[in-house]
Amino acid sequence: DAKTTQPPSMDCAEGRAANLPCNHSTISGNEYVYWYRQIHSQGPQYIIHGLKNNETNEMASLIITEDRKSSTLILPHATLRDTAVYYCIVRVGDDKIIFGKGTRLHILP
Amino acid sequence: EPEVTQTPSHQVTQMGQEVILRCVPISNHLYFYWYRQILGQKVEFLVSFYNNEISEKSEIFDDQFSVERPDGSNFTLKIRSTKLEDSAMYFCASSEGTSGREETQYFGPGTRLLVL
Repeated sequence: DAKTTQPPSMDCAEGRAANLPCNHSTISGNEYVYWYRQIHSQGPQYIIHGLKNNETNEMASLIITEDRKSSTLILPHATLRDTAVYYCIVRVGDDKIIFGKGTRLHILP
Repeated sequence: EPEVTQTPSHQVTQMGQEVILRCVPISNHLYFYWYRQILGQKVEFLVSFYNNEISEKSEIFDDQFSVERPDGSNFTLKIRSTKLEDSAMYFCASSEGTSGREETQYFGPGTRLLVL
């Protein structure tokens, strides 16, 4: 089973920041937090990952709480093309990815 | 930007037939994976492959399934005798294998397999 808990769905207005929460209270010290998304049956797309520091790349920002038991993925200016299922995953090394149900993000025009 | 590619994009086959799904991982990657997603369900791990052998497989990956790296670029998934319940999207993924604890898997676009 997935080691993370995410809300099943969220809405966000186009142009606003989308903040997607994830709980991973049983995360181990050496496990990373990864975020992927899947746009309508396409292959999962890597977004960002982090260990304990906040991370930012051209797609998103990842905020990890100090106790590492939860994190938030931030899409700073959501567009319609960001409509997808977003998966929060904890894993280490070459471990297989165990996907949960993720959060279905709807971007509203 | 390097990416994982998969062929064919769609495959229709009759029950009991053999199918081979093909993947070209990112060129310098050393770990390879297959996942599948039945329509409306979660993405499920099938198998991981490293150094020309299976490193882990799930319960789904029974004797009807096999994987192979026939040359330096391709990675294949063979289903020996397809069943109706094998209908799904099949995703290939690869990772560098040199980053220790921090390994990112990159996924291909998938092959949609329909067994009739």
